[in-house]
Amino acid sequence: DGGITQSPKYLFRKEGQNVTLSCEQNLNHDAMYWYRQDPGQGLRLIYYSQIVNDFQKGDIAEGYSVSREKKESFPLTVTSAQKNPTAFYLCASSSDRGVGNQPQHFGDGTRLSIL
Amino acid sequence: AQSVAQPEDQVNVAEGNPLTVKCTYSVSGNPYLFWYVQYPNRGLQFLLKYITGDNLVKGSYGFEAEFNKSQTSFHLKKPSALVSDSALYFCAVRDTMDSNYQLIWGAGTKLIIKP
Repeated sequence: DGGITQSPKYLFRKEGQNVTLSCEQNLNHDAMYWYRQDPGQGLRLIYYSQIVNDFQKGDIAEGYSVSREKKESFPLTVTSAQKNPTAFYLCASSSDRGVGNQPQHFGDGTRLSIL
Repeated sequence: AQSVAQPEDQVNVAEGNPLTVKCTYSVSGNPYLFWYVQYPNRGLQFLLKYITGDNLVKGSYGFEAEFNKSQTSFHLKKPSALVSDSALYFCAVRDTMDSNYQLIWGAGTKLIIKP
């Protein structure tokens, strides 16, 4: 079955440590997204990519970094500069090519906590 | 400014009764509107969308939504609620006047269906 796989499901970060969240899709989608979800809030966009080797900052990019070397993969690194990383992180993809009328497909998320 | 409002944090409905989850929006251009559902510790699942055409849109799991341009609303409805419909529901909008075409998310409404 086609879909989006996020790993790990749970992740713990020590002070001063960078951690990387994996996101892989086999839907052949061009666009991929990273969101942060905090309790009682909607989704906030961290980064997005509409094509390989290109990505754009979202609303809350500070303290995060991404790469898009392959169409299928869009890993997110939470750096030590992100002082409040505890959240549920969601990766999504869509077949959208800038028109905006296609839904996004989501992975099952990674829950990140601080040790 | 672009925004999405889900005015109710929580909606309680008895099983078998009709349900409505409200969403209003504010955008500059024409909206593309989406509803998603999220079960605990899972990613979001796409339910339905309005792009153009018929104001009444039918989606997955018996849900439907009505686009009302004059009231800038896109309420989610179901004629007969099931206990399994209990989840968190998100409304999202894209502003066709925004070249970014990024989704603007509501804060979510928790739907509780009581047996």
